[in-house]
Amino acid sequence: DGGITQSPKYLFRKEGQNVTLSCEQNLNHDAMYWYRQDPGQGLRLIYYSQIVNDFQKGDIAEGYSVSREKKESFPLTVTSAQKNPTAFYLCASSKHSGGYTFGSGTRLTVV
Amino acid sequence: QQQVKQSPQSLIVQKGGISIINCAYENTAFDYFPWYQQFPGKGPALLIAIRPDVSEKKEGRFTISFNKSAKQFSLHIMDSQPGDSATYFCAASIRYTGNQFYFGTGTSLTVIP
Repeated sequence: DGGITQSPKYLFRKEGQNVTLSCEQNLNHDAMYWYRQDPGQGLRLIYYSQIVNDFQKGDIAEGYSVSREKKESFPLTVTSAQKNPTAFYLCASSKHSGGYTFGSGTRLTVV
Repeated sequence: QQQVKQSPQSLIVQKGGISIINCAYENTAFDYFPWYQQFPGKGPALLIAIRPDVSEKKEGRFTISFNKSAKQFSLHIMDSQPGDSATYFCAASIRYTGNQFYFGTGTSLTVIP
């Protein structure tokens, strides 16, 4: 079955540590996106990529980094520069003019 | 600046009633308006979507009403069921210039038996 897979489901980060969230899709979608979800704030765009080896900052890119070396994969690194990383992170993909397909999310907690 | 404004923030409806969630936008270039349903701990799933050349789209118990002149669109859930209890997000995008979605802040719907 085609879909988008995020891992891990839960992730704990110590202060000053970088962590990487995985996102893989087998839908042959060109575009991929990372959103952060906090209670009462909806979905905020972190980064997006429309083609391999190219990506753009979204509204809240500070403290995050991404790569797009393969069409299927769009990992997100939460760096130590992100001061408030505890949130639910959602990855999505789409064809260039279609609806988004979301993964099941990764819940990141700072310990 | 919130590109898409959604209301209410939360909604409680009796089983069998009608749930109505409203969204408003400013950018007249938007040409795709989807609604997403999200259950706790899960990613949002596409529920129904509309393009601005139609005023209404119905899929089962879910209907989108679209008012282009008022720049508003709404989701109506007929015969609401406890299983409909979830968070609903509206969104808007310009499909052929990057397809970036602008999401509303979400509505938490609770349907009580």
